[in-house]
Amino acid sequence: ETGVTQTPRHLVMGMTNKKSLKCEQHLGHNAMYWYKQSAKKPLELMFVYSLEERVENNSVPSRFSPECPNSSHLFLHLHTLQPEDSALYLCASSQEEGTGSYEQYFGPGTRLTVT
Amino acid sequence: GEDVEQSLFLSVREGDSSVINCTYTDSSSTYLYWYKQEPGAGLQLLTYIFSNMDMKQDQRLTVLLNKKDKHLSLRIADTQTGDSAIYFCAEIFDLSGGSYIPTFGRGTSLIVHP
Repeated sequence: ETGVTQTPRHLVMGMTNKKSLKCEQHLGHNAMYWYKQSAKKPLELMFVYSLEERVENNSVPSRFSPECPNSSHLFLHLHTLQPEDSALYLCASSQEEGTGSYEQYFGPGTRLTVT
Repeated sequence: GEDVEQSLFLSVREGDSSVINCTYTDSSSTYLYWYKQEPGAGLQLLTYIFSNMDMKQDQRLTVLLNKKDKHLSLRIADTQTGDSAIYFCAEIFDLSGGSYIPTFGRGTSLIVHP
């Protein structure tokens, strides 16, 4: 595997279900991100992990719970979601600090539908 | 705060050049990026430019940066139907603040027709 992978690619869940989204990066980066992309809305940054510590949480509802067990893996745990949470959830990684250009590399996304 | 603006749609004929524009408000931008998103996929980095550069060319892609007007553009030469996608402009404004998180525009949908 190369780059950033996400599983599952598609997920349909009821409002009372609990599910988790998984992201894995194979780039040796030290920062990982969760974004939400809804139709006709700007890309929304949800969570940022740098060196496995959460550094930003943009007022995301508590029904979304991130977990970063190591620098290569990122999870988004979902419970009691609402229909308006249906969206494409994108994971990204980047290398912070140093002399790089700090660009983000994205996974293919998980298309989530809440029924 | 930082703001990145893009027009939402651009329609071009196959074989013509496409120019996608982006404007920003913060003059302390450092790195500026162009991403491409095809239907059902994530964002793919196309190219980037450092703020001390005015132009960068990579095959059919030309990035122009006008720091005075805070304007970034992406020119695609000989546009093909496979170039149809959403193009996002993104910028990191102030590395000295320790933030490496880019600000994204809303994306420009490029439609290429025969």
